[in-house]
Amino acid sequence: SYVLTQPPSVSVAPGQTTGITCGGDNIGTKSVHWYQQKPGQAPVLVVYDDSDRPSGIPERFSASNSGNTATLTISRVEVGDEADYYCQVWDRSSYQYVFGTGTKVTVL
Amino acid sequence: EVQLVESGGGLVKPGGSLRLSCAASGFSFSSYAMNWVRQAPGKGLEWVSSITSSSTYRYYADSMKGRFTISRDNAKNSLYLHMSSLSAEDTAVYYCARDCTNSVCYDYWGQGTLVTVSS
Repeated sequence: SYVLTQPPSVSVAPGQTTGITCGGDNIGTKSVHWYQQKPGQAPVLVVYDDSDRPSGIPERFSASNSGNTATLTISRVEVGDEADYYCQVWDRSSYQYVFGTGTKVTVL
Repeated sequence: EVQLVESGGGLVKPGGSLRLSCAASGFSFSSYAMNWVRQAPGKGLEWVSSITSSSTYRYYADSMKGRFTISRDNAKNSLYLHMSSLSAEDTAVYYCARDCTNSVCYDYWGQGTLVTVSS
């Protein structure tokens, strides 16, 4: 089955920029979606189709996807961005959705 | 306003069964594919199952095939997940989520219902 690998954790200072990677075999050929989940809350879609943002999501959230790695970038990080982030794809070959392992972003 | 409200969670013994429900409102339920996603305590998100808008296609994660059944009632704006042969590994918060309008992402999620499998 298709596997998406993310770093377990990332630390960043307020105002700085951080990137969260999502690795998968030829992930660049798939559409990647990103979710933010704060403690005790349901996930929220922050990026879809590799780089599009739903309405209400700040421009500080951007993303790219190429080769074997997709990346979510958070610019001008705020304390409120502290959360777990998950990537997701639809694996057409197995008719299954796949979530990444998740990355905990800590704002120092 | 789009709302998804899960119910039916609770404590169930190993080997037992449970049916979860998700009541949808604020959108044309019959036009959207729907999904179940779960999250074990302290763990990441795990896709469980998906169903197309008219129930034509149903998809399951490998570990749920044969034990879980997804269904929907468009007349009642409701999504269901029937779970059987439950084990401790099925203990999780179960979320229902709506497919994005033009993509295979999830744009709205419920708050989840907790299923605990324990003797």
